[in-house]
Amino acid sequence: ETGVTQTPRHLVMGMTNKKSLKCEQHLGHNAMYWYKQSAKKPLELMFVYSLEERVENNSVPSRFSPECPNSSHLFLHLHTLQPEDSALYLCASSQEAPLVGGKAFFGQGTRLTVV
Amino acid sequence: SQQGEEDPQALSIQEGENATMNCSYKTSINNLQWYRQNSGRGLVHLILIRSNEREKHSGRLRVTLDTSKKSSSLLITASRAADTASYFCATDADNNAGNMLTFGGGTRLMVKP
Repeated sequence: ETGVTQTPRHLVMGMTNKKSLKCEQHLGHNAMYWYKQSAKKPLELMFVYSLEERVENNSVPSRFSPECPNSSHLFLHLHTLQPEDSALYLCASSQEAPLVGGKAFFGQGTRLTVV
Repeated sequence: SQQGEEDPQALSIQEGENATMNCSYKTSINNLQWYRQNSGRGLVHLILIRSNEREKHSGRLRVTLDTSKKSSSLLITASRAADTASYFCATDADNNAGNMLTFGGGTRLMVKP
């Protein structure tokens, strides 16, 4: 148990659906991240929020929309996804920036399947 | 962009043997971290080594860092079946804000009982 909770753990959605992934941490961390992990590919950083402000986008398609209403919660809103978006979506948080040695605490992930 | 690249991609050993995984990176870093991931689960932080350190130990883990070669290694001694997992290196570089943790492709380790 890392202190970062993701829901749901599994999600199957059609290409025309709208769904949201939720991430919650009560570790008092200031930064939260969304990563995408596809088969046989390195983890891809999608979004970074530091003190509730988005600081990195990484050219993620607009069908992925993040929301960080407060420092404890992070959402990833999904709409009109493609089958290639099927992946494990991981949320993480950290107290300090990686630059100064901040380590990331990961949730268990949401396994997303787009049909 | 992918900062770290692990080698080998997959490793299979017998219980009790040592496992060595390597990581190479491209740009200057302030620190390098190793993480472990059990199949389909989240990543767990194992150890961090700073750019001014050359070696670090934590239990059965030994990490080395060679900044001149831009490489790091993770050694797991006296491996156990429970060590079966994927192992990733991660660095802090790749953007000016220093708020990105960039991961390599990982090494899949299988420890046979």
